[in-house]
Amino acid sequence: QSVLTQPPSVSGAPGQRVTISCTGSSSDVGAGFDVHWYQQLPGTAPKLLISGNNNRPSGVPDRFSGSKSGTSASLAITGLQAEDEADYYCQSYDSSVHVLFGGGTKLTVL
Amino acid sequence: QVQLQESGPGLVKPSETLSLTCTVSSGSISSYFWIWIRQAPGRGLEWIGHTSFTGSTNYNPSLRSRVTISVDRSRNQLSLSLRSMTAADTAVYYCASFDGYNAPFDYWGRGTPVTVSS
Repeated sequence: QSVLTQPPSVSGAPGQRVTISCTGSSSDVGAGFDVHWYQQLPGTAPKLLISGNNNRPSGVPDRFSGSKSGTSASLAITGLQAEDEADYYCQSYDSSVHVLFGGGTKLTVL
Repeated sequence: QVQLQESGPGLVKPSETLSLTCTVSSGSISSYFWIWIRQAPGRGLEWIGHTSFTGSTNYNPSLRSRVTISVDRSRNQLSLSLRSMTAADTAVYYCASFDGYNAPFDYWGRGTPVTVSS
């Protein structure tokens, strides 16, 4: 069982907006550690999508955005496109320098 | 841009030890932190452990008794040793780099599949 909780799946039609939640605890996300998001396209390695809660690495479209509040974080995707269909993972740390992953969310573009 | 390439045996027998390497190119292994992550078929990402350029390590408590991660600066390589392999260790194994505690994993290898079977 993952320490960070994500919904197993979300879906949306092209052009719509979807959000993916990531819930931690007062020992990790709530303790001030950043949340990072990764996109994993089918058959490929994960790719950094959002760093430090809300920062987009170079090359990531501005349709992707992140936020964090308290013990939770969210990834929002606006203007949904077919190419966004992938698995999304949140990641953070705890005070023991352990790496934490969410269980992953499968995004389906209808 | 740092490039990472995992390599390993592909197939390991139960009870044997898995040995993987991650070769770092376009960057120095002494400049970053390094992590091993795995993904079982149809499952999510699982942290195995990580090391810094000073050699300090931190392992997933569920794997700590079986794992060793080390850095070979002369070869610019990261290595993973996982002992007493079982079918539950069948997964794609990834190496990645990061700048330190609280940082994201910004560069990833393509991953190497490992199957545990007799």
